[in-house]
Amino acid sequence: TQLLEQSPQFLSIQEGENLTVYCNSSSVFSSLQWYRQEPGEGPVLLVTVVTGGEVKKLKRLTFQFGDARKDSSLHITAAQPGDTGLYLCAGEYGNKLVFGAGTILRVKS
Amino acid sequence: EAGVTQSPTHLIKTRGQQATLRCSPISGHTSVYWYQQALGLGLQFLLWYDEGEERNRGNFPPRFSGRQFPNYSSELNVNALELEDSALYLCASSLSGQRGDTQYFGPGTRLTVL
Repeated sequence: TQLLEQSPQFLSIQEGENLTVYCNSSSVFSSLQWYRQEPGEGPVLLVTVVTGGEVKKLKRLTFQFGDARKDSSLHITAAQPGDTGLYLCAGEYGNKLVFGAGTILRVKS
Repeated sequence: EAGVTQSPTHLIKTRGQQATLRCSPISGHTSVYWYQQALGLGLQFLLWYDEGEERNRGNFPPRFSGRQFPNYSSELNVNALELEDSALYLCASSLSGQRGDTQYFGPGTRLTVL
């Protein structure tokens, strides 16, 4: 059983479309992180959210942490082919990171 | 500044053999973490080492073991390999083992068990 449930598992969209990826849990996390992983590489940290209700923006990416610190979302505006990759959320749980299964995003030009 | 490095990039073994994977953390980082990324299972936490000691262990059998050397590099050993051990093994390092420390990942070692 995954502590963190990510949805959707797979997303294929056209360039210019918007999308949202969700990360949900029944557990409370002290912090939640979003990573992006490309084939043959390790995950690269995009953002860490710490405070309930926090919203962080990274260019066209908007990250939100739920008020209860149990869920998070990643919204991408005007997706581009370079956004293609595996997006992972991870929660800090007892000095270790617990990862969601990931969302594979494919942006077609 | 060099990132986390791992070797080898690829490793092919047969069932029952032993595999050794290596990781060098970012300079100045004392904590090293190992994760297994198997198809369909996502990233699973394996082991955490800090200052040469094993600090935490994931839900894996004892044939997964490792150590951290005085220079903070680390080894992951997998004994009696099974087909389902085939996966990408990722190493990450952080400045210390403190809560909230960012973990930086290496490119991984792709282990294939035939």
